[in-house]
Amino acid sequence: AQKVTQAQTEISVVEKEDVTLDCVYETRDTTYYLFWYKQPPSGELVFLIRRNSFDEQNEISGRYSWNFQKSTSSFNFTITASQVVDSAVYFCALIKAAGNKLTFGGGTRVLVKP
Amino acid sequence: DGGITQSPKYLFRKEGQNVTLSCEQNLNHDAMYWYRQDPGQGLRLIYYSQIVNDFQKGDIAEGYSVSREKKESFPLTVTSAQKNPTAFYLCASSIPRGLFTEAFFGQGTRLTVV
Repeated sequence: AQKVTQAQTEISVVEKEDVTLDCVYETRDTTYYLFWYKQPPSGELVFLIRRNSFDEQNEISGRYSWNFQKSTSSFNFTITASQVVDSAVYFCALIKAAGNKLTFGGGTRVLVKP
Repeated sequence: DGGITQSPKYLFRKEGQNVTLSCEQNLNHDAMYWYRQDPGQGLRLIYYSQIVNDFQKGDIAEGYSVSREKKESFPLTVTSAQKNPTAFYLCASSIPRGLFTEAFFGQGTRLTVV
């Protein structure tokens, strides 16, 4: 069975602070994909990144960066110099290769105060 | 523009009534999914369909039913057997297993039992 754990339920920061969201996963599969989605107050989930299990290279996209460590089964997400528009719920998710079901973590609510 | 349309955005149901949530996509995706989100929690899979006229139960299918008569449409019926239906419901679509890149989500339907 697969499991995704986001231990932080809510994080509150002041604008321009950095914030790191933790994601720990469990799977017996050797090939899988990890995702991060953003859910703004409007409700829809917005895709942020997809990472396959063979690619442990860290990735940076603007103010967003991701740290994938297979040895610790973690796929953490950092927002640098946070902005009020970053306020949302962020979900980490996992799917096995050739799978058809995404397993989501419980989500982390990020509140960025001006 | 391609995307997923869920309707209605808000839905109120009296106890004992069945209600149907609509999900339509024009992305030409074979796979479609229904997720349930409770406040402060992650997404749980209700049903999914990999192809027209075929669907499978997810983790919390009891009290729900679906149909997949057309590729574009995957309606979800919340029956009176669902004891606690108040939740936020998200529909998603993707290309099928083996080719999965990401799931695309609709804007959700918020169902409230009154």
